[in-house]
Amino acid sequence: EDKVVQSPLSLVVHEGDTVTLNCSYEVTNFRSLLWYKQEKKAPTFLFMLTSSGIEKKSGRLSSILDKKELFSILNITATQTGDSAVYLCAASGGSNYKLTFGKGTLLTVNP
Amino acid sequence: GAVVSQHPSWVICKSGTSVKIECRSLDFQATTMFWYRQFPKQSLMLMATSNEGSKATYEQGVEKDKFLINHASLTLSTLTVTSAHPEDSSFYICSASSGLLGETQYFGPGTRLLVL
Repeated sequence: EDKVVQSPLSLVVHEGDTVTLNCSYEVTNFRSLLWYKQEKKAPTFLFMLTSSGIEKKSGRLSSILDKKELFSILNITATQTGDSAVYLCAASGGSNYKLTFGKGTLLTVNP
Repeated sequence: GAVVSQHPSWVICKSGTSVKIECRSLDFQATTMFWYRQFPKQSLMLMATSNEGSKATYEQGVEKDKFLINHASLTLSTLTVTSAHPEDSSFYICSASSGLLGETQYFGPGTRLLVL
């Protein structure tokens, strides 16, 4: 059975801190690893990673994939209160680009 | 680009009624649409995958006669919850993907269903 595990499940930090969110996966016919940010509504897309070792960056967020260790991390530097959300990791595999989601990491950034 | 809309955003209904939720890709053609359900403080659970013009593929444990999915065009899919019961109350989210956009799924804003 396909599985995605995220850690930690929740995290509380102060503004300005740097955080690292972890995601490990076991997915048949793995294609790509995706990160989403979910606030009160549906998830918004952050990154899609397909190749090992190549960092993707968008502002203060960055992510990297290790296909040998079946692992990805999402880094957020200089956190802001607006970064508070649930961060979801999902692995794409099989036919139809089906996504298997982890349970998410609830990040709370306090002023 | 890659905008997905859902309607309605909120619905409250009586037990036993049917509820239809629409999912539309506004600026791209969605060859595949996905329907998820999310209970409070839990992750997204895939219910079914639908390709335009063909029958949906349901995940294990999801009753296809209860959750009717129609993907009649490349921009519209509908989920009908038939004979809804209180335990069907949840947050229903659709997503869409297109070969041209790769594997990324773009999510609609979700529909909160409350069955009384």
